[in-house]
Amino acid sequence: DAGVIQSPRHEVTEMGQEVTLRCKPISGHNSLFWYRQTMMRGLELLIYFNNNVPIDDSGMPEDRFSAKMPNASFSTLKIQPSEPRDSAVYFCASSLLPRGAYEQYFGPGTRLTVT
Amino acid sequence: GENVEQHPSTLSVQEGDSAVIKCTYSDSASNYFPWYKQELGKRPQLIIDIRSNVGEKKDQRIAVTLNKTAKHFSLHITETQPEDSAVYFCAASSGNKLVFGAGTILRVKS
Repeated sequence: DAGVIQSPRHEVTEMGQEVTLRCKPISGHNSLFWYRQTMMRGLELLIYFNNNVPIDDSGMPEDRFSAKMPNASFSTLKIQPSEPRDSAVYFCASSLLPRGAYEQYFGPGTRLTVT
Repeated sequence: GENVEQHPSTLSVQEGDSAVIKCTYSDSASNYFPWYKQELGKRPQLIIDIRSNVGEKKDQRIAVTLNKTAKHFSLHITETQPEDSAVYFCAASSGNKLVFGAGTILRVKS
């Protein structure tokens, strides 16, 4: 079982540049979650998809952030333009809903540094 | 919406002692309560979970208890070992989402 796959693992970019983070959920899972982790704010849910449809994007900080899930095996989180305060670790997690099971399995994360 | 509070923020124990981390939640509709362990530079990993129809669950040295009336749940680690040192997060379900606590840094001193 490959688990959740994220790329890149590290990203360093300059302020104003576009950043695209990628995620491949566990095969067979129907829900995908994007989280941001910082020391100050902890683990925050940005957006989640169920059956490739965005269900709740209330955690997306602002219009600079967008996420897509074109098919069941791929999702992207885009930041355009990036700012230094976007520096964080971004995790993708997947789950199998709505069987009453809410176990979420996290990917290895992408550490983003915006200078 | 759901709010999860976690205490303590840091916990130091001697190897072999027990560690207890406590969380409270606000939404009585929450019915799923997982615990995640995150080692430095790694991903959060699910270590144990409990559903609202169960009061206690145990898996080797770790156990979780749930008090639905009081809306709190706790993680218990017995016979702590240095490899238990990590950040532990509790969470509570809110619809199909999880709301996480702020985390507890556990240090096991050998």
